[in-house]
Amino acid sequence: QSVLTQPPSVSGAPGQRVTISCTGSSSNIGANYDVHWYQQLPGTAPKLLIYAKTNRPSGVPDRFSGSQSGTSASLAITGLQAEDEADYYCQSYESSLSAWVFGGGTKLTVL
Amino acid sequence: QVQLQESGPGLVKPSETLSLTCTVSGGSITNYFWSWIRQPAGKGLEWIGRIYSSGNTNYNPSLKSRLTMSVDTSKNQFFLNLNSVTAADTAVYYCVRDGYSSSSETWGQGTLVTVSS
Repeated sequence: QSVLTQPPSVSGAPGQRVTISCTGSSSNIGANYDVHWYQQLPGTAPKLLIYAKTNRPSGVPDRFSGSQSGTSASLAITGLQAEDEADYYCQSYESSLSAWVFGGGTKLTVL
Repeated sequence: QVQLQESGPGLVKPSETLSLTCTVSGGSITNYFWSWIRQPAGKGLEWIGRIYSSGNTNYNPSLKSRLTMSVDTSKNQFFLNLNSVTAADTAVYYCVRDGYSSSSETWGQGTLVTVSS
C-alpha cells in the first residue's frame, strides 16, 4: 500500500489529453513538499519528467505538465502520442517516515 | 553529461549481504546527493536511501537496520550494502543522482539482483 495513491491505469486515443492523479495526505503533498513525476518506458530506467510540481527538465516536451493543490498532484499529457505509452510514477517526501516515497505507478495505454 | 553505472553480483544467497557499486562518470561526485532506488519485477519503485558526497546518509526506515551506504570521492563511486537479504530483496537496483528538491535527476541503467540459494 503506497503512501501516494495513483490510478493503476489510464488510457486515451492519439491526440487526446489525459491526466494522472497522485493523492497524498497532510504529511506529504499536503505539507507542500514538492512532487516529482517520472516516465518509465518498457524495459528502461525511469526518467525525470516533471520536478518540483511544475518544472520540466530540458528536452521534455511541453505536452507534459504538472500541477499540485492541497493533498493531490496531477500530471497532464496533451496531444497524446503512441510513444507516451509507459508507466508513470509520482514521488514526494513523507515527513512521518523521513523518507521519499513513490506512488504505485500508473500504466498509460495509447489506444 | 554525467553517467551512472551499477555493478555487483547478480545473484546473492539468502541471509548474505548484497553489495553494489555505482560508478559516476562525466562529472564529479562532490556536492551532490546520490540515491539508490529499487524495483521488483512488475512492481513499483522503492526509495532505499541516499548519501551526500560528505558521507551523510538518509535511509528508508523499513530497510535502515540492514542498510549501509558509503562513498569514495577519490574513485567517484558510491556503494550500497544490504545485509540479511531474503527473496523480497530481489529487484532491479538503480543508482541515481539527485537534483533540485531531491528529484531523481539522472539514473543508471539498473542492475538485477536475485536472492536465491
